[in-house]
Amino acid sequence: GAGVSQSPSNKVTEKGKDVELRCDPISGHTALYWYRQSLGQGLEFLIYFQGNSAPDKSGLPSDRFSAERTGGSVSTLTIQRTQQEDSAVYLCASSFASGSHNEQFFGPGTRLTVL
Amino acid sequence: SQQGEEDPQALSIQEGENATMNCSYKTSINNLQWYRQNSGRGLVHLILIRSNEREKHSGRLRVTLDTSKKSSSLLITASRAADTASYFCATDAGTGNQFYFGTGTSLTVIP
Repeated sequence: GAGVSQSPSNKVTEKGKDVELRCDPISGHTALYWYRQSLGQGLEFLIYFQGNSAPDKSGLPSDRFSAERTGGSVSTLTIQRTQQEDSAVYLCASSFASGSHNEQFFGPGTRLTVL
Repeated sequence: SQQGEEDPQALSIQEGENATMNCSYKTSINNLQWYRQNSGRGLVHLILIRSNEREKHSGRLRVTLDTSKKSSSLLITASRAADTASYFCATDAGTGNQFYFGTGTSLTVIP
């Protein structure tokens, strides 16, 4: 069965450009999470979705970051006017339902480099 | 700030030895999970321990939880070279819905 997929796997962009990162969760998983991992660091929680709604957006670092999820499936993380400090690996995870008793299944990540 | 902090930051052992990693957290939790990350890959879930549990086992893994000290430990017995990876604890900070990961322990098992 297919796991969580993310695209692109690598993205190099120039400072000031917008980027879109995509996550395809495991079919049937209602909860979806976005994290950011800087080099040699832990995971920084960004946002999670239960269905199409995001109950908590407090983890987004700035108003340049936004995310949406449509049809309870695919999610897109958009970073506007990228800055060099946005360079990181962006990880997506899904779980059968929200709740910390559920295992998260992670995608391979998108490595974003802002020049 | 991150909820969890693992120590040591890095650990190097010989194959066959046991590896112990510790995680400390700041606020009350409902659940704590341990994950493993191979270099350049996503994370893989290892084990979940609930706040009312003190110890769990899964194969060569043993996890303990001490809620009074707000700490957890992960023990890998009879380590193998394939166990080389980074290990992260994740807690829910009492929210029950989202996870906060620590900075991880980088484990190297030397064949």
